Amino acid sequence: GNSVTQMEGPVTLSEEAFLTINCTYTATGYPSLFWYVQYPGEGLQLLLKATKADDKGSNKGFEATYRKETTSFHLEKGSVQVSDSAVYFCALTPSSGSARQLTFGSGTQLTVLP
Amino acid sequence: EAGVTQFPSHSVIEKGQTVTLRCDPISGHDNLYWYRRVMGKEIKFLLHFVKESKQDESGMPNNRFLAERTGGTYSTLKVQPAELEDSGVYFCASSQGPTKTNTQYFGPGTRLTVL
Repeated sequence: GNSVTQMEGPVTLSEEAFLTINCTYTATGYPSLFWYVQYPGEGLQLLLKATKADDKGSNKGFEATYRKETTSFHLEKGSVQVSDSAVYFCALTPSSGSARQLTFGSGTQLTVLP
Repeated sequence: EAGVTQFPSHSVIEKGQTVTLRCDPISGHDNLYWYRRVMGKEIKFLLHFVKESKQDESGMPNNRFLAERTGGTYSTLKVQPAELEDSGVYFCASSQGPTKTNTQYFGPGTRLTVL
């Protein structure tokens, strides 16, 4: 079946540091890949997505590139801010069939210190 | 446009009691999903409605869980009787269409605590 393996946290960084959160997946075909973020006290928000190989999703300074050859979708940001403190979830939906549910990774708690 | 809303935001109940969670999807979204995150683990799929029909309920853990979506608008998820292991955060999401490019928009979740 489909699965997502995500870098375990928690991750603590200083403001303006570089961020990488690793995400790899197992799925047949070409799934769609997503990063969702959950800020304290809020629900899940879509951060970015990519629907085909070599696509780059980007939003709010975050980027992730769909790498089919390494089955990865690592999240990066060049300079994090305190406001980026949140839980980040990598997820996928299958490329075919009627099932459209998201398969999530375990989440990575990010804390950015001033 | 209003987002996905869920009620209540928190619920604390005793083991053996019944709890009903409600989700109101974004207006016009035919697809509605339930997920839950237990004990800080990964978020797991429970079921998927297309309008009022259950498209996929393969993630429902057992028959103590009953989901409905009468009229194809809001949905309820009932847990009866609740057990300790049901504690967690229950998320609802909706999307406009079923294709893989249709984004699922999530509600804030209901935190359920079973004592």
